[in-house]
This record gives sequence, structure tokens and C-alpha cells, in this order.
Amino acid sequence: DIQMTQSPSSLSASIGDRVTITCRASQSISSYLNWYQQKPGKAPQVLIYAASSLESGVPSRFSGSGSGTDFTLTISSLQPEDFATYYCQQSYSTPLTFGQGTKLEIK
Amino acid sequence: QVQLQESGPGLVKPSQTLSLTCTVSGSSISSGNYYWSWIRQPPGKGLEWIGYIYDSGSTSYNPSLKSRVAISVDTSENQFSLKLTSVTAADTAVYFCARRSRQHYYDVDWGQGTLVTVSS
Repeated sequence: DIQMTQSPSSLSASIGDRVTITCRASQSISSYLNWYQQKPGKAPQVLIYAASSLESGVPSRFSGSGSGTDFTLTISSLQPEDFATYYCQQSYSTPLTFGQGTKLEIK
Repeated sequence: QVQLQESGPGLVKPSQTLSLTCTVSGSSISSGNYYWSWIRQPPGKGLEWIGYIYDSGSTSYNPSLKSRVAISVDTSENQFSLKLTSVTAADTAVYFCARRSRQHYYDVDWGQGTLVTVSS
């Protein structure tokens, strides 16, 4: 199985901050990397697919980059609605696997 | 607009079989453009992929669950289902169904999730 490791596990930030979350794969996954946002009591929603493609309807302050084993999700200017948990997911091979999550909290 | 809705018992006894159904509206489950997935999340924990079904019957399962899981589809009802046998407390989780793009390999639409508790 491909292991996905996110860092940090939690993060405190303020409105307007620029935030970066990192995801590392245990082997190369090319660009088969997705990012999801999950709010309490809700299903995850995709933000970024194929490492850097912005899902339709997602604000442009979200961006993704990387390939191979190292990936980043960046939020350019945090908004109140962005406080949530973020997961990366590799779709290179089955079993599909997720990172452990990064909880983004208000400072 | 595509909607997915999970249904099934919220409480299952240990050693019994967990059975859930996902009803899809706004998209034909016979469409060859998607995988139809199950994903679960234990309370307070992360996401675990269970498996998916595609092409009206082909399946792929997580090896960690493979001996206990079965996913099937009912095209006449536009539904797909999950069965997980011999459950234990470790199977207590919110279970999500999802529609996964076969073009871009991500989960496009999700159900709201349903909590299944395994307890006697």
C-alpha cells in the first residue's frame, strides 16, 4: 500500500494568512494526488485533483502543486469558511489511501 | 445535480453483517464514466477507502477488508450496496458512498454519510 503522510497534523492560523499543507507519498505517484476539505459532520469535498487542477466552483485562493512524492496545498489568504480538516488522497493505485488529515484552526 | 444518499441500520451486533445501500439521483449508475465507491471514517479519525464497483459488476476492494466485503449494484433501482460481514467494534464508523470520476480519478460527489455502530 502507498502511505500518505501529511504535515502538520494541526495548524493554527489567522484570517488573511497564507497557509501551506504538505503531503508526502511513500513512493512516486506521478500527479495522482487529490485534496479534500471536510467540515465537522459533513462529507469531504474535493478542492484539487491531479495535484494542481482546481475543481469547478472552488475559490482560486486554493492551489496545489507537486509531483512524484511531494505535494503541497496552499491557501493564499485564509477566509473564515476555510477552517476545516484537509486530506490528501493518492489515486495512483489501489488500495486508494488518504493522509491522516490536517486540522486547520483559528488562531 | 447529482445526489447520493446512504441508507441502512444504524446499529449492528458484533459478528453480524453490515448492509448499506446508496441511492443515486441525477446520474445513471450504468454510466461508464464513474466508479461507485464506499469510504468510511471511524469517529474522530481519518478516511479509509473500502472499495468500488464499475462497469455494472467489476469490483476493487481494500485488501484489509477484502475477505469480508462485497459491493453490488442494482441498475434498475439506480443503487449500489455494501455488505461487510463478521463486524466488530472496529467497524464502527460513518460510511460514505461516493461517485468517482474515471477520467480524473477523484471522488466528485459524496453522500452525507451514515453512522453505523457495532454494539451488542
